[in-house]
Amino acid sequence: KAGVTQTPRYLIKTRGQQVTLSCSPISGHRSVSWYQQTPGQGLQFLFEYFSETQRNKGNFPGRFSGRQFSNSRSEMNVSTLELGDSALYLCASSQSTGTGNTGELFFGEGSRLTVL
Amino acid sequence: GNSVTQMEGPVTLSEEAFLTINCTYTATGYPSLFWYVQYPGEGLQLLLKATKADDKGSNKGFEATYRKETTSFHLEKGSVQVSDSAVYFCARPYTSGTYKYIFGTGTRLKVLA
Repeated sequence: KAGVTQTPRYLIKTRGQQVTLSCSPISGHRSVSWYQQTPGQGLQFLFEYFSETQRNKGNFPGRFSGRQFSNSRSEMNVSTLELGDSALYLCASSQSTGTGNTGELFFGEGSRLTVL
Repeated sequence: GNSVTQMEGPVTLSEEAFLTINCTYTATGYPSLFWYVQYPGEGLQLLLKATKADDKGSNKGFEATYRKETTSFHLEKGSVQVSDSAVYFCARPYTSGTYKYIFGTGTRLKVLA
């Protein structure tokens, strides 16, 4: 079974640009979550999608947005990039029943964004 | 409150040494607790979990016991190997029924041959 796939793995942008990151979950997983990992703040929850609906959102500005498609693939977008957005963005998928928390998050290898 | 607190790293040990990484949490009720591990250049992967008080999770020689009296979930291994060098994260769901997780800051472990 293929794991969680994130693209691109590495990217460099300049301040003010926007970026879109993609995540393909494990087949059959309907929940996709996004996390930002930085040395200073650790892992911070961005948002979670289930069946194309945003189910939870973290404390990030509106420049950070996401969506989920009918095949469960997800994208996140960051507009008007700032230097502080440089981070590893991790996507995780889960086998959710939609009512209960089955527990395990399956992470991709991440997309490392550098903002210059 | 809702938080997960881990001991600061880095932790440097010799091969075959005993490992303890402390983790405490605050929560209303008794959430499931998890340890994730991140090897260099990779995403996180589940190491072990415990879903209720007094449960012991174990995997690959690592163990952690869910202790509600001390709100702790310390990670232990009796004899570490160089291949255990990684960053370890303690985590819990923000609320039951969601995949919004709170992670500790991570503890980097370096094992020397």
